[in-house]
Amino acid sequence: TQLLEQSPQFLSIQEGENLTVYCNSSSVFSSLQWYRQEPGEGPVLLVTVVTGGEVKKLKRLTFQFGDARKDSSLHITAAQTGDTGLYLCAGAYAGNNRKLIWGLGTSLAVNP
Amino acid sequence: KAGVTQTPRYLIKTRGQQVTLSCSPISGHRSVSWYQQTPGQGLQFLFEYFSETQRNKGNFPGRFSGRQFSNSRSEMNVSTLELGDSALYLCASSLELGTDTQYFGPGTRLTVL
Repeated sequence: TQLLEQSPQFLSIQEGENLTVYCNSSSVFSSLQWYRQEPGEGPVLLVTVVTGGEVKKLKRLTFQFGDARKDSSLHITAAQTGDTGLYLCAGAYAGNNRKLIWGLGTSLAVNP
Repeated sequence: KAGVTQTPRYLIKTRGQQVTLSCSPISGHRSVSWYQQTPGQGLQFLFEYFSETQRNKGNFPGRFSGRQFSNSRSEMNVSTLELGDSALYLCASSLELGTDTQYFGPGTRLTVL
């Protein structure tokens, strides 16, 4: 059973477009992490959100943690080809960030 | 600083064989975790080592084992390989145990025929 649902599974857009990807669960997490994974590489941590309702910005990327800490979204403004990759979310329960619950990811392709 | 390195990068084995994968963490990092990544299941936590001791374990059968050496380098072993063990095996290192930020290596792509 996949406890973290990510949508959409695949997304192909043109450079300059905006997009939002979602990470949803019925479980409450103490924190949620977003990673980007490029082909042939391991995931790289982008951000950790901890507080319900929290919004964090990383240049053109905006991350939001739901008020109930069950869901999160990632919004990319004016996508660039360098944003191409697999975006993964992972939820952590209090006291243990190793047994993360991972989503299957959203595979994003930004075309020139 | 050099990142996390994993060897080999690619491996092909047949059913029933065993395999050992190696991970060198970032210098100064003392915790090493292992994950299995497949398209259908995503990333799944295997185990975490700190100070040469296994501190956390995921829900994998006993065929999956690991160890950590005094220099923090870690190895993972899978015995009696099955077709379903084909996956990308990722190693991640962090400064301390548990809640610290993890840095992933590029992974070892294992194919079982």
